Amino acid sequence: DAKTTQPNSMESNEEEPVHLPCNHSTISGTDYIHWYRQLPSQGPEYVIHGLTSNVNNRMASLAIAEDRKSSTLILHRATLRDAAVYYCILRDGGDYKLSFGAGTTVTVRA
Amino acid sequence: GAGVSQSPRYKVAKRGQDVALRCDPISGHVSLFWYQQALGQGPEFLTYFQNEAQLDKSGLPSDRFFAERPEGSVSTLKIQRTQQEDSAVYLCASSPGTNLGETQYFGPGTRLLVL
Repeated sequence: DAKTTQPNSMESNEEEPVHLPCNHSTISGTDYIHWYRQLPSQGPEYVIHGLTSNVNNRMASLAIAEDRKSSTLILHRATLRDAAVYYCILRDGGDYKLSFGAGTTVTVRA
Repeated sequence: GAGVSQSPRYKVAKRGQDVALRCDPISGHVSLFWYQQALGQGPEFLTYFQNEAQLDKSGLPSDRFFAERPEGSVSTLKIQRTQQEDSAVYLCASSPGTNLGETQYFGPGTRLLVL
């Protein structure tokens, strides 16, 4: 399985943007980049995914580098509810399971 | 609508006891997954069902772990002769079909503590 590298933790102030980096230098052409997050005492929840182009949804934006060796999850205006562990996961067309790493713990200051 | 539910939410067992953890997936979801999450780590895959068929059990840590989904809906993860290293959060997830790469919807997990 291709690996991802994320910082252990990040801090942000409420109402400010948060940029969460993910490195995946060994990504293959068929790997999709998925992001899930896990709020305290809850199961993970889907955030966003993409292949090559940048993606936006109501939760976040995903910016993918041109060479696809890195990506950034962007939370445009952090709220206290966004405090969670964020996981960057590579999935190719044959993956039915999710391979989580340690993720990035995001703390939001009021 | 109703999400994935799991019961019990918390379970304390004495070493050597058998435990059974239940998962109710989203109604109509074909695929069901179990994951184990140790403290401070990301979830790790245990097993995968497509309807009632267990297609992958490669992540089950030992033969003390057994999972079933006899009617293709509710699933039970059973751990026999529990050990302290089995203490973890057990997460269940479901997805609508069999398309690889589908979004998985997770339950809140069952926190198991083995004393």
